[in-house]
Amino acid sequence: DAGITQSPRYKITETGRQVTLMCHQTWSHSYMFWYRQDLGHGLRLIYYSAAADITDKGEVPDGYVVSRSKTENFPLTLESATRSQTSVYFCASSEYGLTDTQYFGPGTRLTVL
Amino acid sequence: AQSVAQPEDQVNVAEGNPLTVKCTYSVSGNPYLFWYVQYPNRGLQFLLKYITGDNLVKGSYGFEAEFNKSQTSFHLKKPSALVSDSALYFCAVRDMLTGGGNKLTFGTGTQLKVEL
Repeated sequence: DAGITQSPRYKITETGRQVTLMCHQTWSHSYMFWYRQDLGHGLRLIYYSAAADITDKGEVPDGYVVSRSKTENFPLTLESATRSQTSVYFCASSEYGLTDTQYFGPGTRLTVL
Repeated sequence: AQSVAQPEDQVNVAEGNPLTVKCTYSVSGNPYLFWYVQYPNRGLQFLLKYITGDNLVKGSYGFEAEFNKSQTSFHLKKPSALVSDSALYFCAVRDMLTGGGNKLTFGTGTQLKVEL
């Protein structure tokens, strides 16, 4: 039972480059989320998806793009990376319902030089 | 919008002593509250949740949380702390997404340090 996986786990890139972070879940959960974690801010929602081909912005979407062509995958793309996007990125999934417990991947630590 | 606050950035406790990590909430309607734990270089792990019913919720690893409606609090507790409980703890509340459906809004986290 793989659950939810993220790749790469660590990434170093340079300002202006495009970077794609991958997220894959094996539960067939309808909802998927991308968060960034920064000291003093906790977790902030970047984008989410309610189902394949349905995505919407969260609190901090600027500079990011998402897609969801298949239920199990939810890649996050930084179109032109900036230093302020240095962070730890977490993907999560949940099954829509009353409780909406989210299950998180292990995270990707991204450094933009 | 719903919100939670974790008033302590760090909590220190001796091993074997009881621990409390505090969380207060602000919601309209019935609160659905969660606790997650994050160990170093790991993702968040679900500990427990309050939806309705008994005010004392039991979760994983011996943790429990007490829901108090009059004080709008949802404090995480454990009767006897272990060094291995040292981690970052997040309180969260269910909130509505603008496009429909639900999300979790997280607090800023509390670092728990359990010392020998």
